[in-house]
Amino acid sequence: NSKVIQTPRYLVKGQGQKAKMRCIPEKGHPVVFWYQQNKNNEFKFLINFQNQEVLQQIDMTEKRFSAECPSNSPCSLEIQSSEAGDSALYLCASSLGNSGNTLYFGEGSRLIVV
Amino acid sequence: AQSVTQPDARVTVSEGASLQLRCKYSYSGTPYLFWYVQYQRQGLQLLLKYYSGDPVVQGVNGFEAEFSKSDSSFHLRKASVHWSDSAVYFCAASIYNNNRIFFGDGTQLVVKP
Repeated sequence: NSKVIQTPRYLVKGQGQKAKMRCIPEKGHPVVFWYQQNKNNEFKFLINFQNQEVLQQIDMTEKRFSAECPSNSPCSLEIQSSEAGDSALYLCASSLGNSGNTLYFGEGSRLIVV
Repeated sequence: AQSVTQPDARVTVSEGASLQLRCKYSYSGTPYLFWYVQYQRQGLQLLLKYYSGDPVVQGVNGFEAEFSKSDSSFHLRKASVHWSDSAVYFCAASIYNNNRIFFGDGTQLVVKP
C-alpha cells in the first residue's frame, strides 16, 4: 500500500475551471515531485520541492500550473484554467532527496477535462 | 541529452515462460537505474534499483535486472511469469547531484494463460 497519499483520486472539470490536487508525502521525505502521465504512458516532470522550496520546474508549470508544499500541510498542484490537453494522471512522489534515492509514488489523481 | 529508451511498447508472453524487457539509457557516466511497475494505471511500485557493484540486481517477485555499461542497458528479466505480472513496466534513471528521474515510455506486458 502506498504511503504517499493523493487526493482526490478522480476529478472532472470543464475547460477553464480550476483543478486542484493534493499530496501528503511519506513521513520523513523532504523531496516531493509532481509528474504528469498522459494516455500514452509518457511521463512529464512538472516540478519538485525540497521542504517548501522549489528545486526544479518546467516552463509549463510556470504558466497555468502552480504548486506548493507548505509546512505542516499537504502539497498541492493546481491548474488555474484547465484545458482538454491537461487530461492525464497526475502522480506525486516523495523521496529522501539524495541522488539516486528511490521515488515512492502515490496512486495518482486522474483529471478529466470535458 | 539524458534519455531512457524502452524499445518494445508491448510484449506478450505465455504464463510460465521467461521474460526480458529491454531498457537502454543515454547518460554521461553511470546513472542510477530503476525498474518500476504500474498496475491498472495506478501509482508506480519499485521493482529494483542499481547503484553500483554486482551488475545483476535482484528485485521483488522474482524479477532481476542486469546492468551493462558497454551496452548502456539495464534489461529486466524473470524466469517464469505469472498472469498477475501483466502490467506496464517502466525503466528510469537519475544522475548524481540531480534529484530528477527520467522515465522510459514503458512496456506493456501481457501474460497469456
